[in-house]
Amino acid sequence: EDQVTQSPEALRLQEGESSSLNCSYTVSGLRGLFWYRQDPGKGPEFLFTLYSAGEEKEKERLKATLTKKESFLHITAPKPEDSATYLCAVQVGYGGSQGNLIFGKGTKLSVKP
Amino acid sequence: DGGITQSPKYLFRKEGQNVTLSCEQNLNHDAMYWYRQDPGQGLRLIYYSQIVNDFQKGDIAEGYSVSREKKESFPLTVTSAQKNPTAFYLCASSIGDRPQPQHFGDGTRLSIL
Repeated sequence: EDQVTQSPEALRLQEGESSSLNCSYTVSGLRGLFWYRQDPGKGPEFLFTLYSAGEEKEKERLKATLTKKESFLHITAPKPEDSATYLCAVQVGYGGSQGNLIFGKGTKLSVKP
Repeated sequence: DGGITQSPKYLFRKEGQNVTLSCEQNLNHDAMYWYRQDPGQGLRLIYYSQIVNDFQKGDIAEGYSVSREKKESFPLTVTSAQKNPTAFYLCASSIGDRPQPQHFGDGTRLSIL
């Protein structure tokens, strides 16, 4: 069964304290891996798409990387405004139900000033 | 600006009542999706539609119904058969079956009176 697991469930950091969030997946064939940010009471906001192992994407303080088994979201020198829940999702195929996304449960990040 | 509009933001349902959640997109996306989000759980797929006048059940379709009469619109009805409807409902859209990200609305929170 295709599965996506995110760890840790919650992470508390001090402002400026860099860290990483993990998304491990067990799927039949990865077509794309997506990272989202979700603020309380809002819909997920798209951050990155990764397609193949070795690929990296960066945006401000965030950097996403991908291996054959997992993806990391690295947060460098975080600020309080980076506090949110970060969701990981994978797509395993094209067309029909295979084109749908499988979501992890998310990591809730809190950054204290 | 292109995006996805969900309404209402908050909705209350009485026992035995059907309620309809609205989702409209102006992104010219072919595919649309409905998810349910509960605390501590990942997003769970209710229904999805890849083209107009066609839709498929997701993982938790029981007690829900949808229609897709226009490309821009994908309303979700929560019927009285859904015994535990209290949740945060998210609508999303994407270009289609290529591995492209889904883009989300800001959700509707449904509660029971």
